[in-house]
Amino acid sequence: AQSVTQLGSHVSVSEGALVLLRCNYSSSVPPYLFWYVQYPNQGLQLLLKYTSAATLVKGINGFEAEFKKSETSFHLTKPSAHMSDAAEYFCAVGDTSGTYKYIFGTGTRLKVLA
Amino acid sequence: DVKVTQSSRYLVKRTGEKVFLECVQDMDHENMFWYRQDPGLGLRLIYFSYDVKMKEKGDIPEGYSVSREKKERFSLILESASTNQTSMYLCASSNSGDSDTQYFGPGTRLTVL
Repeated sequence: AQSVTQLGSHVSVSEGALVLLRCNYSSSVPPYLFWYVQYPNQGLQLLLKYTSAATLVKGINGFEAEFKKSETSFHLTKPSAHMSDAAEYFCAVGDTSGTYKYIFGTGTRLKVLA
Repeated sequence: DVKVTQSSRYLVKRTGEKVFLECVQDMDHENMFWYRQDPGLGLRLIYFSYDVKMKEKGDIPEGYSVSREKKERFSLILESASTNQTSMYLCASSNSGDSDTQYFGPGTRLTVL
């Protein structure tokens, strides 16, 4: 069965520092991969998605992610954290059996320190 | 822009009540989903639907049912609410041709007393 692992349920960075949120997936076929952000008491907003067109994907708010098939990873990065980046981030993989479902990671809460 | 709306942002109900959560999308999407979100557990899929009048069980369907009478509307029903159904409920929709990208509503925070 497919699974998604997000290492670190809580990550703290200083304002201006690099943001690195980790995501590993298990799948025999390169899937669709997604990162979503959730601000308090809101729904999930799509940050970026990988659809096999390019391994480095750029998203909104200065975030990007690199698909590495050999490492089965899709880590999210941002060169310089801003206070407004404080939120919960979810990695998800599209189900490869054609059901249109997602398999979600359990989320990483990002805290940005002044 | 895709818009997914949910009928309530906050809802308080009593144990044993029948609860309806409604979700409407305006982009003619075929697929619709209901999740619940709990701290430390992430998002768990309750039910999903590929088409009008079609439904499939997700990972945690017990205690819930759904209805999809029109393409744009997907309702989640708690037949007899219990305190362990206190949670954040999120609805999403997707179009089969859009790399499975799901678009989410703002969520309904349900408290069952």
